[in-house]
Amino acid sequence: DIVMTQSPDSLAVSLGERATINCKSSQSLLYSSNNKNYLAWFQQKPGQSPKLLIYWASTRESGVPDRFSGSGSGTDFTLTISSLQAEDVAVYYCQQYYGIPRTFGQGTKVEIK
Amino acid sequence: EVQLVESGGALIKPGGSLRISCTASGFSFSNAWMSWVRQAPGKGLEWVGRINTKTDGETTDYAAPVKGRFTISRDDSKNTLYLQMNSLKTEDTAVYFCATSVKVVAFDYWGQGTLVTVSS
Repeated sequence: DIVMTQSPDSLAVSLGERATINCKSSQSLLYSSNNKNYLAWFQQKPGQSPKLLIYWASTRESGVPDRFSGSGSGTDFTLTISSLQAEDVAVYYCQQYYGIPRTFGQGTKVEIK
Repeated sequence: EVQLVESGGALIKPGGSLRISCTASGFSFSNAWMSWVRQAPGKGLEWVGRINTKTDGETTDYAAPVKGRFTISRDDSKNTLYLQMNSLKTEDTAVYFCATSVKVVAFDYWGQGTLVTVSS
């Protein structure tokens, strides 16, 4: 199984400041035939179902604010919130869709400092 | 509008069985690969398994903790996905979400979840 490890487990950021979440996979998520990284990021607010933010590691889902961006390749990935807003308080998960079973990171809780 | 609505969650004793459902609308259900994802109280997301389309053979895959106990099936005439859960354990207590990929390859649509509680 591909193990996904996120860091940190939680972080507190001031409003308007940058939040950075890291995700590391136990094997490469880069598929050589199409040069795409099979990595997605989700946001989950309390009591809600997860919401897709980013897929192919860096493609923003339609309707997602451009303060959210994804980067990285191979085994190391990053989700960046460029200017944290109050509505961004949530738990964020990375997930690989390269192999079966699909696996998620353990989650990173983002709060306001 | 794409909608996924889970139902059937309940309180079940250890060793018992339960079938939950996910009814879909707003997209071509028969052409969609469907998954179940669960979330234990206060914990992270865990993929349970998936089923592909009739055209692809309705093949299923499962996570190790549920393999041999859970069965995913679908009824395209009813636009409904099922999860049959047998030999339930306390550690199966979770909110169960159905999820699918409609416009993009990742899970872009999720249901609201249904709570399954396994307790004596």
